[in-house]
Amino acid sequence: AQKVTQAQTEISVVEKEDVTLDCVYETRDTTYYLFWYKQPPSGELVFLIRRNSFDEQNEISGRYSWNFQKSTSSFNFTITASQVVDSAVYFCALSEAFNAGNNRKLIWGLGTSLAVNP
Amino acid sequence: DGGITQSPKYLFRKEGQNVTLSCEQNLNHDAMYWYRQDPGQGLRLIYYSQIVNDFQKGDIAEGYSVSREKKESFPLTVTSAQKNPTAFYLCASSIRPGRLITHEQYFGPGTRLTVT
Repeated sequence: AQKVTQAQTEISVVEKEDVTLDCVYETRDTTYYLFWYKQPPSGELVFLIRRNSFDEQNEISGRYSWNFQKSTSSFNFTITASQVVDSAVYFCALSEAFNAGNNRKLIWGLGTSLAVNP
Repeated sequence: DGGITQSPKYLFRKEGQNVTLSCEQNLNHDAMYWYRQDPGQGLRLIYYSQIVNDFQKGDIAEGYSVSREKKESFPLTVTSAQKNPTAFYLCASSIRPGRLITHEQYFGPGTRLTVT
């Protein structure tokens, strides 16, 4: 069965610190997709990144970076020089692309609540 | 601007009443989804639709119903049979999944439903 684990329930940092949010997943599929979403206090989920299982390159987008390691089934998210506006709940999600056929769903982690304090 | 709208943002109902939450998208997406989020919880899928006039139950469909008569619209009805309807409801849409491709979902602002 698919599973996504975000072991860190809450993280609190001081502004300008770097912070890494962990995501560990389980799947038997060889073709799958991983996602990160941000949910600010307003409630709307904001898409951050999609990565397929064949692309293990790390990605950097401004202060955000993602480290995908198939060997450890992890897809971790790092925010460099955190800012107060980064305060939000961050969700990791997984979707199998082969075994589930076209009726596939996103399997969500329970989220990590990040508080960045001034 | 392309996006997803959900209205209203806050909704209050008395127990025993059905209530319909609206979701409209102008992203030209075939697939649409309804999720429920409870405090401190992840997202749970209620229903999803990959094409007009077709929809499937998600993980927690009991007490809910949907329709998909238009590509742009996917309303969710919370019926009186739903035992614990108070929650935050999120609608999303995406490009329809391909054979080996899953696309990202884009979300609306959500509707916070309170039933007393």
